[in-house]
Amino acid sequence: GNSVTQMEGPVTLSEEAFLTINCTYTATGYPSLFWYVQYPGEGLQLLLKATKADDKGSNKGFEATYRKETTSFHLEKGSVQVSDSAVYFCALRRNTGGFKTIFGAGTRLFVKA
Amino acid sequence: EAGVAQSPRYKIIEKRQSVAFWCNPISGHATLYWYQQILGQGPKLLIQFQNNGVVDDSQLPKDRFSAERLKGVDSTLKIQPAKLEDSAVYLCASSLDTGARGGETQYFGPGTRLLVL
Repeated sequence: GNSVTQMEGPVTLSEEAFLTINCTYTATGYPSLFWYVQYPGEGLQLLLKATKADDKGSNKGFEATYRKETTSFHLEKGSVQVSDSAVYFCALRRNTGGFKTIFGAGTRLFVKA
Repeated sequence: EAGVAQSPRYKIIEKRQSVAFWCNPISGHATLYWYQQILGQGPKLLIQFQNNGVVDDSQLPKDRFSAERLKGVDSTLKIQPAKLEDSAVYLCASSLDTGARGGETQYFGPGTRLLVL
């Protein structure tokens, strides 16, 4: 079946450190891939997305590349800020049979000043 | 543009009681989703509507959960009777359309936090 696996958190970094949050997926066909973010006290919001192999999604300094050969969509940022502290969710959406979205368990990021 | 509205924001009930949640999606969004998010886990889709019709309800515990979307706009999710394991945040989301590949962006409401005692 379809599934999403994220690295476990929490991840604690100092400001300006490099961030990687790993995400791998299992899916039939060619899903679309997403990163959603949930800031403290707020609802989930889309951070970035990619709809086909080798696409790179980017937003707010974050990037992720759709790698079909490794079934991965790792989230990266070159220099994190305290304001990036949040929970990050990797997700896939099937593009056939009902377009269901499946979320990973989430990775909590703490950034220290 | 107004976002997805949900109410109530918090609810505490005793087991075996019933509870209902309400969602008003973004105007013009054809697709509406209800998710259950248990503490420490990612959201799990309970039911997905496109306009009035159900697209996916494969993970909805139909013996106790029900949902409807009248007139293709607002939606309610009901639990009757509630169990302890239903304690979670219930998220509503909406999107323009499910049909096109394009990585459908979902817009989430603030959620309803349910505690079943």
